[in-house]
Order: sequence, then structure tokens, then C-alpha cells
Amino acid sequence: AQSVTQLDSQVPVFEEAPVELRCNYSSSVSVYLFWYVQYPNQGLQLLLKYLSGSTLVKGINGFEAEFNKSQTSFHLRKPSVHISDTAEYFCAVLIDTDKLIFGTGTRLQVFP
Amino acid sequence: DTGVSQDPRHKITKRGQNVTFRCDPISEHNRLYWYRQTLGQGPEFLTYFQNEAQLEKSRLLSDRFSAERPKGSFSTLEIQRTEQGDSAMYLCASSQQGWTGELFFGEGSRLTVL
Repeated sequence: AQSVTQLDSQVPVFEEAPVELRCNYSSSVSVYLFWYVQYPNQGLQLLLKYLSGSTLVKGINGFEAEFNKSQTSFHLRKPSVHISDTAEYFCAVLIDTDKLIFGTGTRLQVFP
Repeated sequence: DTGVSQDPRHKITKRGQNVTFRCDPISEHNRLYWYRQTLGQGPEFLTYFQNEAQLEKSRLLSDRFSAERPKGSFSTLEIQRTEQGDSAMYLCASSQQGWTGELFFGEGSRLTVL
């Protein structure tokens, strides 16, 4: 069965530092991978997605992710974080082309 | 704002009572999803509709849960005989047919069962 694993439940980082949020997937077939973000008291919104093509995917707010088939990973990165990036980040995989299955989430806390 | 709206945003109820949540999707979206999110967990898929047809239900959805989308527009999620374990955030999302993974989420309905 397809699934995603987010090993880090919390990632604290200082403002302007780089950050990487890790996501590993398990699948025996082609995968479609996503990162969603949930800001406090807001609904989830799409940050970026990988469907095919270039393995480096750029998203909103300066985030990017790299699809690595050999390592079955789809880590999210940002070179310099801002206080406003404090949020919960969810990795997700598309199952059967009709529903998303989410990881357990990583809480990014950015400190001044 | 024409995003996904959910009502009520918060519901506190006593164990054994029935509760109903409503979701109004983005108007041109024909797919509607319900997810449940508990503290420290990611959203868990419950069920989804394409127009008025309920195409899939998760085994997480016990017999006490029922969802409808009678006219292919808004949807309701009813929980009968609530239990404390039902306490969670219930999320609704919608998408267009032929989508490629972008779900548009509402802000959720938080249920607390005392």
C-alpha cells in the first residue's frame, strides 16, 4: 500500500536559517507526491506537488522539494525561513488517482 | 470569499448525542471529501463524493457515521450516538474532476464530545 512517513514531528529553527522537512514514501508504482501547509486556525493549502517531469519542484512562499526515487524521498526545503513560515506541514501521496493520504505532519517553529 | 465553508466551526456535545456538520464546496467542484484530524496526526480520509454519488468510504467510518450529498452541491456528515473518541477536527475539501491532487480545504469543524 502507498503511504508517506514524516519522521520529524517538530522542527525548531531560527529565522533566516535553512530548513529541511523530511518525507519518505512507500510505493511500488508511480507516485504523485504533495506538500500541504496548515497555518494556525486556517485550512490546509497546497504548497507544491510532484506529478512527473523535473524532480525539483518549486512551490509557493519560496519552498521547494526534490523527488528522489532511489531514496524514496520527497523532502521539503527552504533556504531561509521567516517567522510567518511557522505552521504544520503535511506530506501526502495520491492513491488510486482519487484521494490523498497524508503523513502525520511536521510542526515547523521559527524563532526570532 | 468563495472557498470551502464548513458549519459549525465548533461543536460541543455530550456523549450519546447526534451531531451533523455541513460543508459547502467551491461551486464548480464536483468532488467533495471528508477527512478527520486528531491532535498530532495528519488528516485521515473518511469518504468522498463525485457529484451526488458516494464513491468510497474508509473503514474508519463506522456505522454511526453517515455522509450525504443529495444534490451534488453541499454535503452533510452525521455522527450518531457520539463517543469521546469521535472528538476531532472534521475537514471538508473539494476539487474538480480530472484533478491532480489539489484539494481545497475548509477551516474544519471541531467536535468535542464530553
